[in-house]
Amino acid sequence: EAQVTQNPRYLITVTGKKLTVTCSQNMNHEYMSWYRQDPGLGLRQIYYSMNVEVTDKGDVPEGYKVSRKEKRNFPLILESPSPNQTSLYFCASSYGLAADTQYFGPGTRLTVL
Amino acid sequence: SQQGEEDPQALSIQEGENATMNCSYKTSINNLQWYRQNSGRGLVHLILIRSNEREKHSGRLRVTLDTSKKSSSLLITASRAADTASYFCATDARGSSNTGKLIFGQGTTLQVKP
Repeated sequence: EAQVTQNPRYLITVTGKKLTVTCSQNMNHEYMSWYRQDPGLGLRQIYYSMNVEVTDKGDVPEGYKVSRKEKRNFPLILESPSPNQTSLYFCASSYGLAADTQYFGPGTRLTVL
Repeated sequence: SQQGEEDPQALSIQEGENATMNCSYKTSINNLQWYRQNSGRGLVHLILIRSNEREKHSGRLRVTLDTSKKSSSLLITASRAADTASYFCATDARGSSNTGKLIFGQGTTLQVKP
């Protein structure tokens, strides 16, 4: 089944404790991206990657890192999480561009205490 | 600022009625997409309309695009309780050297009462 998977689905952590949210797609998509969703603010793009080893900032990249060492994986790294990073995070992928149909993962609900 | 802004923020209708949601954006685009999100879950792609298209249909969905007004509308006909969800438009930025950014509107929350 074609899908985007994220792990973990739920995470409660404390300020400053490094964490990684994994994202994997099995559709051989070139483009992958991360979003956060907050009430009243909609979805905001954090980082995106147009191919292996190519990543770029979205609208809200501060406090996040990403890597794209393999085509199928695009982990989101929070080196030192803070409470303002408490949010619902989505990974998405598409064939080639942001303008293409995006396939979303199920989301990761992160709480930083 | 948001590329896509939606209107209304919330909409409540009876089953069987039509629901119309609007999206406005600021810059020229390649495509405009509509997505649906059930509460707290991942977004699901509904329909994509290209900048050279004016109208597109998919089942009970009808999307229009007016590039001169930089706006789009999503019409759901004969709504059902199962259509209750949030609906988002998303646009990229045409002509930019950056084809990676995708900007979502804040969404319209639709409630369809049985």
